[in-house]
Amino acid sequence: KAGVTQTPRYLIKTRGQQVTLSCSPISGHRSVSWYQQTPGQGLQFLFEYFSETQRNKGNFPGRFSGRQFSNSRSEMNVSTLELGDSALYLCASSKQGAKNQGETQYFGPGTRLLVL
Amino acid sequence: KQEVTQIPAALSVPEGENLVLNCSFTDSAIYNLQWFRQDPGKGLTSLLLIQSSQREQTSGRLNASLDKSSGRSTLYIAASQPGDSATYLCAVKSGNSGAGSYQLTFGKGTKLSVIP
Repeated sequence: KAGVTQTPRYLIKTRGQQVTLSCSPISGHRSVSWYQQTPGQGLQFLFEYFSETQRNKGNFPGRFSGRQFSNSRSEMNVSTLELGDSALYLCASSKQGAKNQGETQYFGPGTRLLVL
Repeated sequence: KQEVTQIPAALSVPEGENLVLNCSFTDSAIYNLQWFRQDPGKGLTSLLLIQSSQREQTSGRLNASLDKSSGRSTLYIAASQPGDSATYLCAVKSGNSGAGSYQLTFGKGTKLSVIP
């Protein structure tokens, strides 16, 4: 069974631009969560999507948004990029996500974003 | 607000040694605790998941314990090998079951180096 895939793997943007990252979950998984990882803050939860609906949201500004398609693939968008948005963005999938308290999440390799 | 702390931040041991990684969390109302491994530039690999009702989980040379009342977990690695070198992350799942809102809160990790 193929794992979680993320594209692109690396991205360089300049301040003020916007960026869209993509995540394809494991087949049969309906929940996709996004995380931001930086050396200073560590891993922080961005949001979770389940059946095309945002179910949970972390404490990030509105510049960070996402969506999920009917095939469970998800995209994350960051508008008006800032230098501090440079990070590794990870997505994780699970069958039920937040609905199943005991379930584990499977992580993709991440997209490394550098904002200049 | 849940906070997760991992000590030490970095650890270097000779091959063959047994070692313990520590994780503490501030809010004991958790659903589960998970240990992950992250290799440089890669995503996260789930190692062990302990439900809130459990005390420990074992997988091969790894053993994780959970003391929910004191807000602590340990990851024990027996007979360490150079291939164990990686960053180990602890994450707790907590939230509001009434609102159907859960999320993972991560520690900043312990970077382990096993010297041949």
